Amino acid sequence: DTGVSQDPRHKITKRGQNVTFRCDPISEHNRLYWYRQTLGQGPEFLTYFQNEAQLEKSRLLSDRFSAERPKGSFSTLEIQRTEQGDSAMYLCASSFFPYEQYFGPGTRLTVT
Amino acid sequence: AQTVTQSQPEMSVQEAETVTLSCTYDTSENNYYLFWYKQPPSRQMILVIRQEAYKQQNATENRFSVNFQKAAKSFSLKISDSQLGDTAMYFCAFIPLVSSGDKLTFGTGTRLAVRP
Repeated sequence: DTGVSQDPRHKITKRGQNVTFRCDPISEHNRLYWYRQTLGQGPEFLTYFQNEAQLEKSRLLSDRFSAERPKGSFSTLEIQRTEQGDSAMYLCASSFFPYEQYFGPGTRLTVT
Repeated sequence: AQTVTQSQPEMSVQEAETVTLSCTYDTSENNYYLFWYKQPPSRQMILVIRQEAYKQQNATENRFSVNFQKAAKSFSLKISDSQLGDTAMYFCAFIPLVSSGDKLTFGTGTRLAVRP
């Protein structure tokens, strides 16, 4: 197994466009997390899934954000009507135990 | 609120020397996990070391060790025999087991530069 993968690695979009990111977790991991990291800050929790169920969402996750994990495998994070403030690194992590989260390389979003 | 504070935005150390990164946290819970993650430039976050709050013994992983002071809510990372590959951002993080669900709370990070 090659670890957590994310696609794309970089995304440049114009304000108002929709974007979708994909995360493929480590295969035996039932937990999947999304975090957002802005420049000079630590990652902030956005949402998490156990299998296909979305169990928690941060207040950071506005109505423009939606995440899914169909069949408990890969996950997608969609941002509708992007704003410049959405520019950040979006990190995905997966785990079998909550105290052992493995991170992917991230998707860097730039909204122009 | 659960918070993590890293008061050293940047640090520098000579190769082969020892450096200590500081971290304090705030929680009213008694059971939690503490972590140090390393994020090299343009590379993904890697778990360096983990400490369970119920364990009094400090965790060690090769050249990395922690000084866990539960009463003081302090969790510092010591890197011995620093290597150029240790250059990275280091994030302190924790999971309180009751209130936070599964989410990690991170500090703002310490940028460590190892000088040759």
